[in-house]
Amino acid sequence: QVTLKESGPVLVKPTETLTLTCTVSGFSLSNARVGVTWIRQSPGKALEWLAHIFSNDEKSYRTSLRSRLTISKDTSKSQVVLTMTNMDPVDTATYFCARILGTSLYYYFDYWGQGTLVTVSS
Amino acid sequence: SSELTQDPAVSVALGQTVRITCQGDSLRSYYASWYQQRPGQAPVLVIYGKNNRPSGIPDRFSGSSSGDTASLTITGAQAEDEADYYCYSRDSSAQGVFGAGTKVTV
Repeated sequence: QVTLKESGPVLVKPTETLTLTCTVSGFSLSNARVGVTWIRQSPGKALEWLAHIFSNDEKSYRTSLRSRLTISKDTSKSQVVLTMTNMDPVDTATYFCARILGTSLYYYFDYWGQGTLVTVSS
Repeated sequence: SSELTQDPAVSVALGQTVRITCQGDSLRSYYASWYQQRPGQAPVLVIYGKNNRPSGIPDRFSGSSSGDTASLTITGAQAEDEADYYCYSRDSSAQGVFGAGTKVTV
């Protein structure tokens, strides 16, 4: 079955770089029209889309965070990595990875990881 | 960047019907997908595309779209449907955006 699992630090200091890994199973990151997206949710707030990467290496980033985000994949390891530089306390959130399926008319996220809470504090 | 607008909260009596709307320019070109999130849990996909339900999602959930507005309808709401619901869409530059969410109280 399809599963995704986020891993990374639970606590980072301000100005540090966050590196999160999403390890997937049950599908291949080389499957057509398939990819992984990262989404975060600050405590008590709405979901916020961050970035995605498709099997053809097409990437997209949230405009307001573009300068701080990098997404990459290692198909052989079934992993997608998101890095976010210059972390700030406002970046404290639960970070989710999810499988994205894309067509010309819509994207959607059919499987999600459980999420990982990242706290930014000195 | 695109924006999607949702009503913050709606309430529905047990067994009645509720419609949740999502408005945004990107919806004129792209379909929305809808996610249910219960407290402390990861979101769950309930509707995608024109009106597609993933396996395991009850048929009381349905989706529709007209112009710049997408809608999620729960027909015969159950107690377990009480949750936050988020719409999502891509835009012409392949970026994604979520609505701010609608809290449904049953």
